[in-house]
Amino acid sequence: NAGVTQTPKFRILKIGQSMTLQCAQDMNHNYMYWYRQDPGMGLKLIYYSVGAGITDKGEVPNGYNVSRSTTEDFPLRLELAAPSQTSVYFCATRDGPDTQYFGPGTRLTVL
Amino acid sequence: ELKVEQNPLFLSMQEGKNYTIYCNYSTTSDRLYWYRQDPGKSLESLFVLLSNGAVKQEGRLMASLDTKARLSTLHITAAVHDLSATYFCAVDMSGSSYGKLTFGQGTILTVHP
Repeated sequence: NAGVTQTPKFRILKIGQSMTLQCAQDMNHNYMYWYRQDPGMGLKLIYYSVGAGITDKGEVPNGYNVSRSTTEDFPLRLELAAPSQTSVYFCATRDGPDTQYFGPGTRLTVL
Repeated sequence: ELKVEQNPLFLSMQEGKNYTIYCNYSTTSDRLYWYRQDPGKSLESLFVLLSNGAVKQEGRLMASLDTKARLSTLHITAAVHDLSATYFCAVDMSGSSYGKLTFGQGTILTVHP
């Protein structure tokens, strides 16, 4: 049982490039989330999903897109990367009202 | 505006001392979560508080929730070095069951010998 996995662990992008951050879970949780954490700050919700085929915006969705075609996977797409998207990205899952379980994170730098 | 404020933001403690971290939030909620984050690591769940008056304890940490005051506390008893970390509270103020969390800024705790 791997829990929540994220790839890649680290990535450097040039301004204007695109990439997809991968998130996978093997806990069969319906709810999945993408957060970003800027240095010295708390996490901010980018997008979330309540089940396969259902996604919605969080607090800071601009510059990102998501899809949820399966229960297991919830990729986050960055189009036209900007320096303001330099951050650590965490994926999380939840089953019911209980806690969210966080993945190890992807550290992204946009230069 | 949905806001979650923690204080203090920085806390330097001596081993063996007690202290409390406060978490205030702006809108009615009865779903509050405490997490721990070690440097360069992910978030680890500490407590889930889902009703007014909820109190949970694990080792030297105890968390409580007062939904009327919109306040949660994380009390540290007889601190030890291993408790050094950043502590976040997070509140679901969305009024739904979707788990849309708003995080505080975090409290950086350093425990000295």
